[in-house]
Amino acid sequence: GAVVSQHPSRVICKSGTSVKIECRSLDFQATTMFWYRQFPKQSLMLMATSNEGSKATYEQGVEKDKFLINHASLTLSTLTVTSAHPEDSSFYICSASGAIRGYGYTFGSGTRLTVV
Amino acid sequence: QKEVEQNSGPLSVPEGAIASLNCTYSDRGSQSFFWYRQYSGKSPELIMFIYSNGDKEDGRFTAQLNKASQYVSLLIRDSQPSDSATYLCAGRDDKIIFGKGTRLHILP
Repeated sequence: GAVVSQHPSRVICKSGTSVKIECRSLDFQATTMFWYRQFPKQSLMLMATSNEGSKATYEQGVEKDKFLINHASLTLSTLTVTSAHPEDSSFYICSASGAIRGYGYTFGSGTRLTVV
Repeated sequence: QKEVEQNSGPLSVPEGAIASLNCTYSDRGSQSFFWYRQYSGKSPELIMFIYSNGDKEDGRFTAQLNKASQYVSLLIRDSQPSDSATYLCAGRDDKIIFGKGTRLHILP
């Protein structure tokens, strides 16, 4: 149980375009999902907390107009990187918390974004 | 500021030995604690959680929690090269706070 699916696993896009990343909880309802970014050899950085049916809460320094988060259902949250630039190239990971496994977070498999 | 502290490593352990990973946390309100394993280029995978003082064993892994000392540890017995990864400690109160991780290298 507690499977989180993330898609796509890899994406290459041109500078200035937008990219959407999907995160789905497959076998549980996730009222809260989290979006992280991780640069090579660095630790996880929480970007935002996504709550079903309400606005996301962004961490300090994360531009909400650039990283659009939508959590329209209990099983789906999306992150859209708008007007992507090469410095947005990173590993983006979503996670969700459900009433299993000690209420720990289950992570998606991550999305490797490369902006060229 | 709620924090979870870990030594970044790398921690090098001979194959077959016990690897000991340690973590301290600042928030006394944290109720449960987690250990995640992250291989390079992959997302973290939950391997253990603990919320009671004492030890919790699962196969080759033992998590230890001491709330009075605000200390959590993970022991890996009979270390294998496949255990080489970054291990993230995390504590949960209203949300989960992650440490920066300890890189573990098992020497063949």
